[in-house]
Amino acid sequence: RKEVEQDPGPFNVPEGATVAFNCTYSNSASQSFFWYRQDCRKEPKLLMSVYSSGNEDGRFTAQLNRASQYISLLIRDSKLSDSATYLCVVFHTGRRALTFGSGTRLQVQP
Amino acid sequence: SQTIHQWPATLVQPVGSPLSLECTVEGTSNPNLYWYRQAAGRGLQLLFYSVGIGQISSEVPQNLSASRPQDRQFILSSKKLLLSDSGFYLCAWGGGERGVGDTQYFGPGTRLTVL
Repeated sequence: RKEVEQDPGPFNVPEGATVAFNCTYSNSASQSFFWYRQDCRKEPKLLMSVYSSGNEDGRFTAQLNRASQYISLLIRDSKLSDSATYLCVVFHTGRRALTFGSGTRLQVQP
Repeated sequence: SQTIHQWPATLVQPVGSPLSLECTVEGTSNPNLYWYRQAAGRGLQLLFYSVGIGQISSEVPQNLSASRPQDRQFILSSKKLLLSDSGFYLCAWGGGERGVGDTQYFGPGTRLTVL
């Protein structure tokens, strides 16, 4: 089983739609959680950290459920520019680096 | 502000040739430095990380090596490239004064094709 699992998609949604991605992680000792965005043939860029209480940044909302070991990302009012691959990322003790999911691809259509 | 540089941006090398990719970070001191590889259509695979000068940890046994000759310089090398070494190589920095496990920031990457 992969340490971090994501639905690869693609998720094809119209502009203005709300879309949600989920991610599950296997290590219950995981401590820090992030969502990164990666455009085609570019480096990943931090989208937001994910906190236990949930957090929001504009149209983006991230939630963490430690009991079920999953993380979610909600995008409201999708824009064409939101088209990208979204990477779920986890850190846990025992590793000194992050573990990345394979990503979920989002395509927002006009 | 912090910036991270990688070069070259693109590289085409024959099988069996050597490799040297360089990464430098500006605007922070004593960062943790990382090398990742992303094969086509795949996730990021951690190759090496370093918490200080001369301190290198390897995640995956392979024909690659890494060195950190200066605080903000990280080099990825190979003596003989394999076809399977093709991919997108990403350097990242994180932690530093804030410790490990913090957010990581990526350089623009080097796209390597081994023929």
